[in-house]
Amino acid sequence: GDSVTQMEGPVTLSEEAFLTINCTYTATGYPSLFWYVQYPGEGLQLLLKATKADDKGSNKGFEATYRKETTSFHLEKGSVQVSDSAVYFCALFPWDSNYQLIWGAGTKLIIKP
Amino acid sequence: DTGVSQNPRHKITKRGQNVTFRCDPISEHNRLYWYRQTLGQGPEFLTYFQNEAQLEKSRLLSDRFSAERPKGSFSTLEIQRTEQGDSAMYLCASSTLGEQYFGPGTRLTVT
Repeated sequence: GDSVTQMEGPVTLSEEAFLTINCTYTATGYPSLFWYVQYPGEGLQLLLKATKADDKGSNKGFEATYRKETTSFHLEKGSVQVSDSAVYFCALFPWDSNYQLIWGAGTKLIIKP
Repeated sequence: DTGVSQNPRHKITKRGQNVTFRCDPISEHNRLYWYRQTLGQGPEFLTYFQNEAQLEKSRLLSDRFSAERPKGSFSTLEIQRTEQGDSAMYLCASSTLGEQYFGPGTRLTVT
């Protein structure tokens, strides 16, 4: 079945460092791909999305490119801030699904000043 | 632009009591989802509505859990005879298709 694999956390970086959180997927067809962010004590917020191969999603300085050849959707940011500390979830919406998102396990990001 | 809202935000109850949570989706969204999330884990899908029809409920954790969306707008999730293991964050999301938009969640603590 379809699945999403994320790099394990926590990931600890200093402020202004470059961020990469790896996400790879297994799916048939052409799924849509998402990154969600969850700040402490809050619900999940959609961060960015890509719906077809080679699409680049971007928001708030974060970017991710849908790479079908490597089945990846890695999250990147050029210069992280303390306020980026959160848990990041990669998710997949299968092309033949009516409803169900497939979730990665989440990666906790800690940014130190 | 009003997002998904959930009430209450926090609920503390004693074991054996019934609790009900409410979710108000984004108004133009016809799909509504309930999830449970425990500490350090990702969302666990519970059930899904399209308009007023509950199209998937096999993932509800037990027969103590039930959900309704009577007029295709807001939804309620009820847990009967709560147990300590029900303590978690209950998340609601809505969508048209594809990406889902989440509410802030209801944190349930069963003592």
